[in-house]
Amino acid sequence: AQSVTQPDIHITVSEGASLELRCNYSYGATPYLFWYVQSPGQGLQLLLKYFSGDTLVQGIKGFEAEFKRSQSSFNLRKPSVHWSDAAEYFCAVGHFYGGSQGNLIFGKGTKLSVKP
Amino acid sequence: DADVTQTPRNRITKTGKRIMLECSQTKGHDRMYWYRQDPGLGLRLIYYSFDVKDINKGEISDGYSVSRQAQAKFSLSLESAIPNQTALYFCATSDGQGAETQYFGPGTRLLVL
Repeated sequence: AQSVTQPDIHITVSEGASLELRCNYSYGATPYLFWYVQSPGQGLQLLLKYFSGDTLVQGIKGFEAEFKRSQSSFNLRKPSVHWSDAAEYFCAVGHFYGGSQGNLIFGKGTKLSVKP
Repeated sequence: DADVTQTPRNRITKTGKRIMLECSQTKGHDRMYWYRQDPGLGLRLIYYSFDVKDINKGEISDGYSVSRQAQAKFSLSLESAIPNQTALYFCATSDGQGAETQYFGPGTRLLVL
């Protein structure tokens, strides 16, 4: 069965420091992978996604993620964190039905706090 | 205006009451989803619908029902609410093409007393 693991429940970084949020997935074939962000009191917004091609994916707000098949990972990175990046981040894998993607399977999330 | 709207945004109800959460979208998408979010558990799928006549149970459908009244509307009902259904509920839509992005509504915060 497909699954997504985000090992870190809560991470605190200083403003201006680099960030890496970890995501590991379990899936039998080449996965569709996503990172979503949820700001306090808001719905989820897509940061980036991977489905084929270049394994380094650029997203919005200066985020990027790298797909590593050998490690079953899709870690999210940002070179310099801003206070406005404080939020909860969710990694997700697309679940397929009948050859097309159906719903998403989400990790449990990583909450990011940013110190001034 | 928001592409995916949910009403109400907040709701307090009592155990045993029937309540309905509504979702509307203006994105023209065929696919709609209901998720619930609990602290530390991420989002879990309750029901999904690939078109008006195609409705499917998700991971945690017990105690819930849905109605797809039109392409743009997908309602979630709790027939007899219980306290462990206290959660944040999200509606989402997608276009059914390739690596689909799902677009989420702002959520409905439900408290069952």
